[in-house]
Amino acid sequence: GAVVSQHPSRVICKSGTSVKIECRSLDFQATTMFWYRQFPKQSLMLMATSNEGSKATYEQGVEKDKFLINHASLTLSTLTVTSAHPEDSSFYICSARDAGGGPDSEQFFGPGTRLTVL
Amino acid sequence: GEDVEQSLFLSVREGDSSVINCTYTDSSSTYLYWYKQEPGAGLQLLTYIFSNMDMKQDQRLTVLLNKKDKHLSLRIADTQTGDSAIYFCAERIQGTYKYIFGTGTRLKVLA
Repeated sequence: GAVVSQHPSRVICKSGTSVKIECRSLDFQATTMFWYRQFPKQSLMLMATSNEGSKATYEQGVEKDKFLINHASLTLSTLTVTSAHPEDSSFYICSARDAGGGPDSEQFFGPGTRLTVL
Repeated sequence: GEDVEQSLFLSVREGDSSVINCTYTDSSSTYLYWYKQEPGAGLQLLTYIFSNMDMKQDQRLTVLLNKKDKHLSLRIADTQTGDSAIYFCAERIQGTYKYIFGTGTRLKVLA
């Protein structure tokens, strides 16, 4: 089946620094990727929809200047958490949509990136 | 707005059946999904059902959809210890590729 990877799987950074998380579709082209955030023992909250070659669409309440999304190719989207603070610590999960797939292949999820901001 | 609710916990004995319930509010949802998440991992799609179906069976998994009551359930037959995980239902909003996830149900299987 379709595989989505994320890198890094785990990152610890100091407050005020920026962190970039990569999401790659390994064996299919993803015109659309999604970024989610998951707090401990909570559900996934959609942060933004990333469309290849155009600006991301952010959900209400998500600061676009803080969470920069770039989708420069059909297999790669990046999320940059700028000037990270401890409250940004979370599990970030991406998913990728195979435009050529059916309903059960619409979104494939990456393994997640655990961000800890000290 | 969209809101998807699940009970938080479920505990069953190995070999018994598990039933995980989900209620949603968007009657125009086209597809409804069940995902499994193991600790520290991403989401694994278990099964899905199209909104014009009432039931779908896939090996040990049975999905029931009551569209009138906006109620979705996942039944796992012969539950095993490896089924212990968090289960999320999700609805796809009509006309979009956006998913709204439920609150998640933590299933614990006792040996």
